[in-house]
Amino acid sequence: KQEVTQIPAALSVPEGENLVLNCSFTDSAIYNLQWFRQDPGKGLTSLLLIQSSQREQTSGRLNASLDKSSGRSTLYIAASQPGDSATYLCAVRGAGSYQLTFGKGTKLSVIP
Amino acid sequence: GAVVSQHPSRVICKSGTSVKIECRSLDFQATTMFWYRQFPKQSLMLMATSNEGSKATYEQGVEKDKFLINHASLTLSTLTVTSAHPEDSSFYICSARDAGGTDNYGYTFGSGTRLTVV
Repeated sequence: KQEVTQIPAALSVPEGENLVLNCSFTDSAIYNLQWFRQDPGKGLTSLLLIQSSQREQTSGRLNASLDKSSGRSTLYIAASQPGDSATYLCAVRGAGSYQLTFGKGTKLSVIP
Repeated sequence: GAVVSQHPSRVICKSGTSVKIECRSLDFQATTMFWYRQFPKQSLMLMATSNEGSKATYEQGVEKDKFLINHASLTLSTLTVTSAHPEDSSFYICSARDAGGTDNYGYTFGSGTRLTVV
């Protein structure tokens, strides 16, 4: 059974800092990995999707990497802003499956 | 981009009543929709997977008779919480898979429904 772990559970940084969020998964047989953002009391907004054959994806100040063999992904946020404050969720879709397995998330606070 | 509309966003109901939550794909056809439940400070837990025109597949531990799921069309799935009790209070979120093959784009999620049973 796939298990997804996100470290740290919470992170507080001053505005302008670059930061890295970590996601690890136990079963490397994945179809893709997706990073989401969730604001309090809201749904999920997709940030980046990495297919199993890809190593990284970039969108603006966000860069996500994938090392399938080691079961790890990172989300890099450059020049953090207070508006980046949210919970970031990592979700893995298993090979041959339509289901996503989520980590518990990292709650990010960017201090002005 | 793909949009999933979920309603209502908040609902308060009395214990023993039923509540229906709707999940609609606005600009694509969704062969598969997923229903999740999220407890405070916890991640999303998959409750069931629904395929258009067939019975939903429930995850272990989820009561089929309490959480009724209907996916009668390619753009609409509903979750009905029957005879709701305070322990059913939670945040419910749906997501949809594009039948047109957005396996390259991942899944789209609704905005969630906060259910409070009093």
